[in-house]
Amino acid sequence: QAGLTQPPSVSKGLGQTATLTCTGDGYNVGNQGAVWLQQHQGHPPKPLSYRNNNRPSGISERFSASRSGNTASLTITGLQPEDEADYYCSAWDISPSGHWVFGGGTKLTVL
Amino acid sequence: EVQVVESGGGLVQSGGSLRLSCATSGFTFSSYWMSWVRQAPGKGLESVATIKPDGSAIFDADSVRGRFTISRDNANNSLYLQMNSLRVEDTAIYYCVRGDLDYWGQGTRVSVSA
Repeated sequence: QAGLTQPPSVSKGLGQTATLTCTGDGYNVGNQGAVWLQQHQGHPPKPLSYRNNNRPSGISERFSASRSGNTASLTITGLQPEDEADYYCSAWDISPSGHWVFGGGTKLTVL
Repeated sequence: EVQVVESGGGLVQSGGSLRLSCATSGFTFSSYWMSWVRQAPGKGLESVATIKPDGSAIFDADSVRGRFTISRDNANNSLYLQMNSLRVEDTAIYYCVRGDLDYWGQGTRVSVSA
C-alpha cells in the first residue's frame, strides 16, 4: 500500500506564505481529494481541511486547500510561530477495496 | 459536542494480545465509518483498519492482516481493535478516528517489548 508523497521539510519566514504539496494518483488524490492534518508535538492530528477543500469550523482562513489533478496543496498565509508543526495529507484510495492512505508528512519550520 | 476517547493501551510482550476500545458520543455513531490509525514513535501516520456502519470491515493494513480485528457495537457507540500476536513494530499511539478523519481521539499508547 504505497503512500502519498510530501516533501519532508519546508522552511519559511514569519509572515510569509508556505505552500505544501501532496502527490498521489488517480485512485486517491485525483479521485477523492485530500484531507490535510496539522500535528504539534505530543498532540493528536487536527484536521485543517476536508476532501472538498472546506475548512472545519474554527480553522483560520489563513489555511486554504486546493487540488490540481493528482496533487493536493495546502497554502498557509501570514505564517505565525504556532504554525510550526508537522502537516500530513491523506486520501481515500479506492483500490482495491478502499482504504486511507497517508503522506509521510512535512515538517514546517517558521524562521 | 463530538467526543472520541480511546482506552486499553499498555505494555505487552511480543506475541501477546491487547484490546483497544473507543467510546464515542455527540454524534450518530451508527451512521459513520470509523477507523484506527497508528503512529509509531517519531514516525508518520498509518491506517490500520476501517469499518463500515454495518460492521463489515473493509480494510486491514498488510502489516496487521490476520492479527488485528476491527469491530464495533452500534448500540453502545463503541469501536474496538483486537490485537493478537503483537510484534515490537506494532509499538505506536493508536488513534480512533471518525469518518473522513474529521474527529480524532487523544490516542492510546501501545508498547510491545521483545
